[in-house]
Amino acid sequence: DQQVKQNSPSLSVQEGRISILNCDYTNSMFDYFLWYKKYPAEGPTFLISISSIKDKNEDGRFTVFLNKSAKHLSLHIVPSQPGDSAVYFCASRSYNTDKLIFGTGTRLQVFP
Amino acid sequence: DSGVTQTPKHLITATGQRVTLRCSPRSGDLSVYWYQQSLDQGLQFLIQYYNGEERAKGNILERFSAQQFPDLHSELNLSSLELGDSALYFCASSVGPEPMRLFFGSGTQLSVL
Repeated sequence: DQQVKQNSPSLSVQEGRISILNCDYTNSMFDYFLWYKKYPAEGPTFLISISSIKDKNEDGRFTVFLNKSAKHLSLHIVPSQPGDSAVYFCASRSYNTDKLIFGTGTRLQVFP
Repeated sequence: DSGVTQTPKHLITATGQRVTLRCSPRSGDLSVYWYQQSLDQGLQFLIQYYNGEERAKGNILERFSAQQFPDLHSELNLSSLELGDSALYFCASSVGPEPMRLFFGSGTQLSVL
């Protein structure tokens, strides 16, 4: 049972344009959401997070949007840079089980 | 550098064997988490330890076990290995018991032949 879904396995965006990565979840007990970035041969690194009491959180070029009614999370990267090319994982924490559940990841490629 | 150290980086073994993966958390972190990443799969949560005690359990097989030692390092033991156990195993750590922001090691790539 995949509680956190990233339906797009890959995304290709031109440098300077906006990258939008999407994530859907099914568990209404999720109260905290995170995005991680992973480069090859490295572990995932934290990017940005959002609590369920907010609908937007911004950090530089990265903005996360949360739509609780749709159980949908998105990460916007503006402007996209070649160094953003990586696999992006969304993750959600359930307040009743206190586990962090990850999606399957979306591979972003930013080309010149 | 996340501050989380995993050893070994690569491990090649045969079916039926037993291996031990080791993790040293960031200085000051009391929680250690183990995740498994198989091909085309997300990060599957296996188990969490907090200050030496098991705190949360995920989809960990009975053939797998883990522990956290008094110095807070952790070991993941995988036994009776099968081909399907081939995966990237990540360790992560956090300061407190709640899985908020985790810091990941670079992983151990296990290949079962």
